[in-house]
Amino acid sequence: DGGITQSPKYLFRKEGQNVTLSCEQNLNHDAMYWYRQDPGQGLRLIYYSQIVNDFQKGDIAEGYSVSREKKESFPLTVTSAQKNPTAFYLCASGPSVREGVYEQYFGPGTRLTVT
Amino acid sequence: GQQLNQSPQSMFIQEGEDVSMNCTSSSIFNTWLWYKQDPGEGPVLLIALYKAGELTSNGRLTAQFGITRKDSFLNISASIPSDVGIYFCAGRGNSGYALNFGKGTSLLVTP
Repeated sequence: DGGITQSPKYLFRKEGQNVTLSCEQNLNHDAMYWYRQDPGQGLRLIYYSQIVNDFQKGDIAEGYSVSREKKESFPLTVTSAQKNPTAFYLCASGPSVREGVYEQYFGPGTRLTVT
Repeated sequence: GQQLNQSPQSMFIQEGEDVSMNCTSSSIFNTWLWYKQDPGEGPVLLIALYKAGELTSNGRLTAQFGITRKDSFLNISASIPSDVGIYFCAGRGNSGYALNFGKGTSLLVTP
């Protein structure tokens, strides 16, 4: 059963703590993405990776970090430097854009609450 | 990234009615995608468009890639209660890897 999994669904942290959000896909997609969604807003790109061991900053990368050591996995760390970390985080994957296909498929999301 | 203008912001309709929404950009796009998001879930891809003028259907949904390449439209025919959700458009310009997303159209359908 192919798809994208994100865990956990809900995450609670104290201010000042780093937290890592998991994203795994078994769709054999080269590209993976992290987005942040706030109420009433569209999706804003945090980081993306087109290939293993390579990733680029998106529009709002400050306070976040990622790694791409395996094709299937693209974890996102929300650091204590992120000023407003409470949000709904969405991971997506898709074919490499070098194939001329720009479709992205989303996971179920992780709702992070920092108090 | 560039913000897309998506309208209307919300719609409240009766079951059986047809629905139209659109998305516009100030620059030319090469790809338009339409997604539906249920509360607390990730967006689900509905339709992908790659050519200006292209008209593509998925069941009761029909989307069009505008001739100017600066807009796209999504129509839902004979709406049903499970159509409730937020519909997002997303587009990609001539360069870069990222998609630009609209702020969404919230659709409510009453039985």
